[in-house]
Amino acid sequence: ELKVEQNPLFLSMQEGKNYTIYCNYSTTSDRLYWYRQDPGKSLESLFVLLSNGAVKQEGRLMASLDTKARLSTLHITAAVHDLSATYFCAVEANSGYALNFGKGTSLLVTP
Amino acid sequence: DAGVIQSPRHEVTEMGQEVTLRCKPISGHNSLFWYRQTMMRGLELLIYFNNNVPIDDSGMPEDRFSAKMPNASFSTLKIQPSEPRDSAVYFCASREGTAYTEAFFGQGTRLTVV
Repeated sequence: ELKVEQNPLFLSMQEGKNYTIYCNYSTTSDRLYWYRQDPGKSLESLFVLLSNGAVKQEGRLMASLDTKARLSTLHITAAVHDLSATYFCAVEANSGYALNFGKGTSLLVTP
Repeated sequence: DAGVIQSPRHEVTEMGQEVTLRCKPISGHNSLFWYRQTMMRGLELLIYFNNNVPIDDSGMPEDRFSAKMPNASFSTLKIQPSEPRDSAVYFCASREGTAYTEAFFGQGTRLTVV
């Protein structure tokens, strides 16, 4: 069974600070996806990472993938309140097809 | 494109009743997923269709749950009889191809069974 672990699960940070969310997974995969979910809303795709060493950036968010370590990171730079949301990583096993989600990291950015 | 469309958005039903959730995937997408989201269990994959064929239904909780995809533009998830523990948000997602592409999620159906 493919396990996807995110940490931390809850994160409260001040505006302007930097932080990293980690996503570890248990099987061989070079396909990893990050999603954002606002309260009561659907999941919105943020990043698609499809190879070892892949790095994608959008605004204050940057995601990377290390397939050898089975680790992806989502780095937040100079956080702003609008980034408050829950962030999910999802892994697709090389032998599979379905997206297996982590528990999510609930981020709260405070003034 | 209007995205993945789910209906109803909210459903409140009594225990023992039949519930049917509906999904229209994005046109041209040939993979469709049903997920269930709860606070305790997070996002769970229930079933996956490819080209309208159920490929993996190992996540379907029990025989009370069934899903169909009669054509490329419509899928249903049925619960009969419903139980309070089925209360959750049910998401439908679709994507182009079978791998290496992101899945797009519908707005979800919030199901409450009382």
